Amino acid sequence: QKEVEQNSGPLSVPEGAIASLNCTYSDRGSQSFFWYRQYSGKSPELIMSIYSNGDKEDGRFTAQLNKASQYVSLLIRDSQPSDSATYLCAAPYNNNDMRFGAGTRLTVKP
Amino acid sequence: GAVVSQHPSWVICKSGTSVKIECRSLDFQATTMFWYRQFPKQSLMLMATSNEGSKATYEQGVEKDKFLINHASLTLSTLTVTSAHPEDSSFYICSAREMRGPLHFGNGTRLTVT
Repeated sequence: QKEVEQNSGPLSVPEGAIASLNCTYSDRGSQSFFWYRQYSGKSPELIMSIYSNGDKEDGRFTAQLNKASQYVSLLIRDSQPSDSATYLCAAPYNNNDMRFGAGTRLTVKP
Repeated sequence: GAVVSQHPSWVICKSGTSVKIECRSLDFQATTMFWYRQFPKQSLMLMATSNEGSKATYEQGVEKDKFLINHASLTLSTLTVTSAHPEDSSFYICSAREMRGPLHFGNGTRLTVT
């Protein structure tokens, strides 16, 4: 089993809708999780960090962490075409390394 | 916020030549840096972990002698693609992690070998 798993999609939502991206992880000891956004031809950029159970909101983005069920999700409200990208979830592995999911490709249609 | 700088952003070289890519952590020290490669429409693939003051750790299937990594200081790691061939053409991305924090990525280097 991979340390971090994501549904690779693709996921398509209409403009203005809520996009829901999900990720599961295998290491119960993981304490922190990160969501990255990668536009085509660009490197990933960090958009959200979450360290404790529950929800964390930042603008149109909400990260949700459920340690008991070992899943982390990212909700994007009022989706815009500019949100179209691949979204990667990540969890630390060992002291410095990070494990990534395969990424979910999101398309927001105007 | 923390920044990782990668240079050059793109390079075109002839087959058989070597190319060096630099990765710098600008406002934090990184004892470990990571090098990834990404082919079009594919996932990030970790190539190697660069360790300051010691040998790099390579992922299975990555040739050590072809992808030379040097991590001479706490803020600089370099990746040299030796004797490059067209199949080495790819998007190379470095990253570094703050203590217990997220991983920060450089902007990537697009390598084209003709």
